[in-house]
Amino acid sequence: DTGVSQNPRHKITKRGQNVTFRCDPISEHNRLYWYRQTLGQGPEFLTYFQNEAQLEKSRLLSDRFSAERPKGSFSTLEIQRTEQGDSAMYLCASSSRAANTEAFFGQGTRLTVV
Amino acid sequence: AQSVAQPEDQVNVAEGNPLTVKCTYSVSGNPYLFWYVQYPNRGLQFLLKYITGDNLVKGSYGFEAEFNKSQTSFHLKKPSALVSDSALYFCAVRAPNSGYSTLTFGKGTMLLVSP
Repeated sequence: DTGVSQNPRHKITKRGQNVTFRCDPISEHNRLYWYRQTLGQGPEFLTYFQNEAQLEKSRLLSDRFSAERPKGSFSTLEIQRTEQGDSAMYLCASSSRAANTEAFFGQGTRLTVV
Repeated sequence: AQSVAQPEDQVNVAEGNPLTVKCTYSVSGNPYLFWYVQYPNRGLQFLLKYITGDNLVKGSYGFEAEFNKSQTSFHLKKPSALVSDSALYFCAVRAPNSGYSTLTFGKGTMLLVSP
């Protein structure tokens, strides 16, 4: 499968615990995005990488959230001290450098904080 | 800041009838516009895009969309709906003030096609 891969698909955690999600983009894509989607809403932008550089972060990305893309390949999104309001679908997408190309999305990681 | 509005939470259409899912946008400059579809518990699948050129763009599964600059709209259309088209549809925009980097999405429109 050469699409965007996200792991795990589902995560249930207790409030206050830390969680980490992984995204493997399409191999030749140098742009990688993280989005959050809650029920009844469209995806909301969290952060964006070009290669290993994190170029943009949304105000939604509080200091409990951190994302990395250490070698410009896979990326991780960590949430520290999870809160119930963090429960959502976390989507990763990748695209080539050209701005006129579409982004390809993974199937997402559904986080439930209990 | 850029924004996208999808004024209808839900669109109902009978199979075989034409469908339209509406989208309007607000950006400074020339937008890049996209439509995505999402099936239950799945990620988003790309349908079509407008970058430049012909205002009518064709995409996957028989869908098309018309870019109207004066009305700042990019409505999704299909001449004959299928039950399998039932899904959640999102309009999205990339704008020059973000360096055409980030995609901003609308809230989505649920399309229900009845047999």
